[in-house]
Amino acid sequence: RKEVEQDPGPFNVPEGATVAFNCTYSNSASQSFFWYRQDCRKEPKLLMSVYSSGNEDGRFTAQLNRASQYISLLIRDSKLSDSATYLCVVSGSARQLTFGSGTQLTVLP
Amino acid sequence: GAVVSQHPSRVICKSGTSVKIECRSLDFQATTMFWYRQFPKKSLMLMATSNEGSKATYEQGVEKDKFLINHASLTLSTLTVTSAHPEDSSFYICSATTGREQYFGPGTRLTVT
Repeated sequence: RKEVEQDPGPFNVPEGATVAFNCTYSNSASQSFFWYRQDCRKEPKLLMSVYSSGNEDGRFTAQLNRASQYISLLIRDSKLSDSATYLCVVSGSARQLTFGSGTQLTVLP
Repeated sequence: GAVVSQHPSRVICKSGTSVKIECRSLDFQATTMFWYRQFPKKSLMLMATSNEGSKATYEQGVEKDKFLINHASLTLSTLTVTSAHPEDSSFYICSATTGREQYFGPGTRLTVT
């Protein structure tokens, strides 16, 4: 079983749509959780950290359920510029990041 | 935010040659840097953790004699792919940590012919 599992997609949605990505992780000792975004042939960039209380940054909302070992990302009012691969990432005490395989999103005009 | 650079950004080499990739933290000191590899349409896979002044820690399945890592200063780590083969062709990305957050370099695309 992979340490971090994501639905690879692709998700093709129209502009303005709301889209949700899910992720599960296997290591219950994981301490930190993130969503990264990666554009084609570029390095990943931190989108947001994820907290148990849930957190929101503009159109983006992230949720963490430690009991279920489940992480989600909700994007509202999708823009063309949101097209990218979204990576679910978990980290343990050693600060090493474990990446999911990514979910590809394409926002269509 | 913090800046991490990598050099070169792209390299094409012949099978059997060695390639060195540099990773620099430009505006902060990084006691720990990480090296990742990403094959097309796949996730980033951690290869090794590079600690300044000590030997790198390699992930299972990564050959330490093939992927030589040197972290000689707080701002520079190098990855040398020795005797490269076509199967080593990949996107190599480093990251450096401030302790709170990891910052990624722009990556190096290696093609071995």
